[in-house]
Amino acid sequence: GNSVTQMEGPVTLSEEAFLTINCTYTATGYPSLFWYVQYPGEGLQLLLKATKADDKGSNKGFEATYRKETTSFHLEKGSVQVSDSAVYFCALTLNFNKFYFGSGTKLNVKP
Amino acid sequence: DVKVTQSSRYLVKRTGEKVFLECVQDMDHENMFWYRQDPGLGLRLIYFSYDVKMKEKGDIPEGYSVSREKKERFSLILESASTNQTSMYLCASRVRDKTNEKLFFGSGTQLSVL
Repeated sequence: GNSVTQMEGPVTLSEEAFLTINCTYTATGYPSLFWYVQYPGEGLQLLLKATKADDKGSNKGFEATYRKETTSFHLEKGSVQVSDSAVYFCALTLNFNKFYFGSGTKLNVKP
Repeated sequence: DVKVTQSSRYLVKRTGEKVFLECVQDMDHENMFWYRQDPGLGLRLIYFSYDVKMKEKGDIPEGYSVSREKKERFSLILESASTNQTSMYLCASRVRDKTNEKLFFGSGTQLSVL
């Protein structure tokens, strides 16, 4: 089947620390991969995406590389800010009708 | 920018009540989705619709139905609410274009069934 597994949170970091949130997937074909972010009290927003192997998605200082060999799409940021505190969801789709989401990882950034 | 509006932010209902959750999008998107979000489980797809009057079951459709009479509106119906349907419900939409997979989400409805 198709599924996404991401690291459990919460993740607590100090401002300017390096962030990694792990995401691995299983898929019956060649998926597109996404990271969505949910700020408190809001719906999810697309953060970045990658549509094929070795693609790197990037936005707002966040990056993730589509690794087919390890079926991973880990999210990284070199220096987090307090404003990055949110819940981060990894997701995949094969046919654009069904999107499979991970369980979410809450990030707390302390000043 | 695309706007997906869910009619209520918080809703409290009693067991056995019929509950309607409304979602409206303003960008003429063909595809609309209903998810529920539960701690530790992430988002699970309840139903989706790929056009007016067209619908397909998602992964957890039991106890729910949907209605899509107009393109902009997608309603989720709990025929007889139960306490295990207490959850955050998220509506999403996207344009039916294989080069654009981006989902636009509403801010959610937190439903409590007592």
